[in-house]
Amino acid sequence: SQQGEEDPQALSIQEGENATMNCSYKTSINNLQWYRQNSGRGLVHLILIRSNEREKHSGRLRVTLDTSKKSSSLLITASRAADTASYFCATGLGETSGSRLTFGEGTQLTVNP
Amino acid sequence: NAGVTQTPKFQVLKTGQSMTLQCAQDMNHNSMYWYRQDPGMGLRLIYYSASEGTTDKGEVPNGYNVSRLNKREFSLRLESAAPSQTSVYFCASSARTGSQETQYFGPGTRLLVL
Repeated sequence: SQQGEEDPQALSIQEGENATMNCSYKTSINNLQWYRQNSGRGLVHLILIRSNEREKHSGRLRVTLDTSKKSSSLLITASRAADTASYFCATGLGETSGSRLTFGEGTQLTVNP
Repeated sequence: NAGVTQTPKFQVLKTGQSMTLQCAQDMNHNSMYWYRQDPGMGLRLIYYSASEGTTDKGEVPNGYNVSRLNKREFSLRLESAAPSQTSVYFCASSARTGSQETQYFGPGTRLLVL
């Protein structure tokens, strides 16, 4: 079964607005990662947050992690049409499971020009 | 530096046929993975190889076999294809940074089994 579950499944916003996607997971993790997938392409890594971190920034991306609630959020600020893609969270369990990641089902983001 | 490459890009098989999906990476990564992605779903791990010479089952290994040919190449074989194996297959590799790993993905192979 999927470790991560994204919410919402689909999100449609106007260019310039902020987009927030949420991810919940079930077991303790070592790290949580977000990936983007453009239509018909492979996944591209966006950002990684460790289990002992609460917030991380990268350009227009802001990720938060709440291990007590087993949840994470990805905020994309000042969205652009080029941000249209599917976004997946992936959890890493760390040393005991090697390098494996478990992916959620994704949020489809549409940014309208 | 091509990253992760996959061949073929698209394949149509008849039920019962066999085929091998090829994957290669030029980033000197130790770990490689095979995933499948079905419509509206995330990626599910089929097999992975933590290092050259080792392979392990993932979440959905039934109907598949893998070979880690060398550090660069990791192939996925369908011995007797079934319609349920219609999917998009992604290969990935990862570099280890401490205990965190980010994965680099190939462009995918779209497989249709009739």
